[in-house]
Amino acid sequence: EAQVTQNPRYLITVTGKKLTVTCSQNMNHEYMSWYRQDPGLGLRQIYYSMNVEVTDKGDVPEGYKVSRKEKRNFPLILESPSPNQTSLYFCASSPRGGRGYTFGSGTRLTVV
Amino acid sequence: AQKVTQAQTEISVVEKEDVTLDCVYETRDTTYYLFWYKQPPSGELVFLIRRNSFDEQNEISGRYSWNFQKSTSSFNFTITASQVVDSAVYFCALSETMNYGGATNKLIFGTGTLLAVQP
Repeated sequence: EAQVTQNPRYLITVTGKKLTVTCSQNMNHEYMSWYRQDPGLGLRQIYYSMNVEVTDKGDVPEGYKVSRKEKRNFPLILESPSPNQTSLYFCASSPRGGRGYTFGSGTRLTVV
Repeated sequence: AQKVTQAQTEISVVEKEDVTLDCVYETRDTTYYLFWYKQPPSGELVFLIRRNSFDEQNEISGRYSWNFQKSTSSFNFTITASQVVDSAVYFCALSETMNYGGATNKLIFGTGTLLAVQP
């Protein structure tokens, strides 16, 4: 089954404790991206990757890191999480051209 | 700048009423895609429809229909005979394939419309 797998689904952590949210896709898509969803703001892009070893900032990259060492994986790293990073996070993958996007199930992160 | 506007923050209807969710977009791309997603209370994003910029035909799928009008840059979504299970947040989105930095595959979302269908 074609899918994007995100883990974990739920995470509660404390300020400053490094964490990684994993994302993996099995569709051989070149493009992967991370979004965060906040009330009243919709989904905003954090980082994206056009292919292996090619990443770039989205609209709200501060406080996040990503890497794309393999085509299928695109982890989101919060090196020192803060409460304002409490949000619902989505990973997505797509082929080039913007025809379609496959989203993961989301990760609900709470930073206390 | 590319932008999607969903002016309706919340809509409340009674079951069996028809409801239309508005979406207005701005883009400088000549080729683009528009999408609608549903987000039920469980939180996942459920894909509903994709429309490319060259296809202005309206589409109907069961109780759902979509009206795409390039002249007004709108892509509105109508639910006929609404049901309680339709209660969700609905997002309209626009694909961006180029920006000043080069190629991108960004999906630009509106802020969403919360639809509450009362029994």
